[in-house]
Amino acid sequence: QSVLTQPPSVSGAPGQRVTISCAGSSTNIGAGYDVHWYQQLPGTVPKLIIYANKKRPSGVSGRFSASKSGTSASLAITGLQAEDAADYYCHSYDNTLSGSVFGGGTKLTVL
Amino acid sequence: EVQLVQSGAEVKKPGESLKISCKSSGNSLTNYWIGWVRQKSGKGLEWMGFIYLGDSNTRYSPSFEGHVTFSLDKSLSSTYLQWNTLKASDSGMYYCARQAAPGSAWVAWGQGTLVTVSS
Repeated sequence: QSVLTQPPSVSGAPGQRVTISCAGSSTNIGAGYDVHWYQQLPGTVPKLIIYANKKRPSGVSGRFSASKSGTSASLAITGLQAEDAADYYCHSYDNTLSGSVFGGGTKLTVL
Repeated sequence: EVQLVQSGAEVKKPGESLKISCKSSGNSLTNYWIGWVRQKSGKGLEWMGFIYLGDSNTRYSPSFEGHVTFSLDKSLSSTYLQWNTLKASDSGMYYCARQAAPGSAWVAWGQGTLVTVSS
């Protein structure tokens, strides 16, 4: 059971927009800690795609955006492409744990 | 740019000990943290803990505390994850990653070390 809750799967057709939610609590996201997002393509290392709630690292497509509100956060992917099929993880800090917490991951299927 | 290179895959028996490494290159700064996560086959990322390269300060996830140990060798720019007594349930892929502070993003990741524990 992950501290941050994500839907196990989402899907969308090419060109569509999908969102992935990340629900936390008052000890992590709700406490003001930043949320980060990673993309893990099949058989590869996780890659940072969003940091500090909504910032994109250099080289990450502008089709990826994210937001945070209250005790939750969400990742949006617009103009879905086949190459976006991957697992996506949210990540934050928890002051009860005094450490990192990850969501359980969401598998994105591009139909 | 910081790069993290991890040691190679390991196959061990239950009860054996193991130490895997994560070597950083490309940046000599020591005021950052190295975190470790485990990923079992087909599963998500589990935070294990992290170690601060400045003073070897460590924090462990309650799920792993007492079972694993993080250490540091500054002269080799390497951090280590060690088990004294492996269990079959320790099998999985282990990643190290760099972060500027405990709440910051994991920017650079190692390529992972696959650990298989089987009798």
